Amino acid sequence: QKEVEQNSGPLSVPEGAIASLNCTYSDRGSQSFFWYRQYSGKSPELIMFIYSNGDKEDGRFTAQLNKASQYVSLLIRDSQPSDSATYLCAVNRQRTNAGKSTFGDGTTLTVKP
Amino acid sequence: GAVVSQHPSRVICKSGTSVKIECRSLDFQATTMFWYRQFPKQSLMLMATSNEGSKATYEQGVEKDKFLINHASLTLSTLTVTSAHPEDSSFYICSARGATSGAFYEQYFGPGTRLTVT
Repeated sequence: QKEVEQNSGPLSVPEGAIASLNCTYSDRGSQSFFWYRQYSGKSPELIMFIYSNGDKEDGRFTAQLNKASQYVSLLIRDSQPSDSATYLCAVNRQRTNAGKSTFGDGTTLTVKP
Repeated sequence: GAVVSQHPSRVICKSGTSVKIECRSLDFQATTMFWYRQFPKQSLMLMATSNEGSKATYEQGVEKDKFLINHASLTLSTLTVTSAHPEDSSFYICSARGATSGAFYEQYFGPGTRLTVT
């Protein structure tokens, strides 16, 4: 079992829909959780981080964390073709992201016009 | 804020030569820098973690004598691929972490360096 699991996709949604990306992790000691977006041929870009159970919203993005279920998700509202990318989930044992983060393999999202 | 640069963005070298890649945090002090490698359509692979002023910690299976990492200052880390071979051709990405927003130490990635060894 991988430490951080993501569906590889591709996940395809129509423009304007909500895209839901999921991530599960095995280390119950994980304290901080990150979502990165990576366009093809580019490096990852941090888009959200969350530390506490519940929802965190930033514009069209909402991160959801459930530590009891060891589950973190990313919702993208009003999906745009420009959101088409691979989304990487990362977790870290430290509250302040000390040490190294463990990355999932990513979910490829395609938003169709 | 939180900008990380890498140089060069693309490099082609001949087999057997060495290549140095620089990673700089431009607007924050990076207490820790990470070096990743990514092959096409594959996930990020962490190669090593370096803290300013100390030796890098390499991941299992990564040859420390082949991939030399130096983190001489809080804003600069370098990765040198020594005696490069075609199988070293990959996308090398650095990431820097520091206190960019109060107590939170987010990790920001550089734009990457595409290395091609001929």
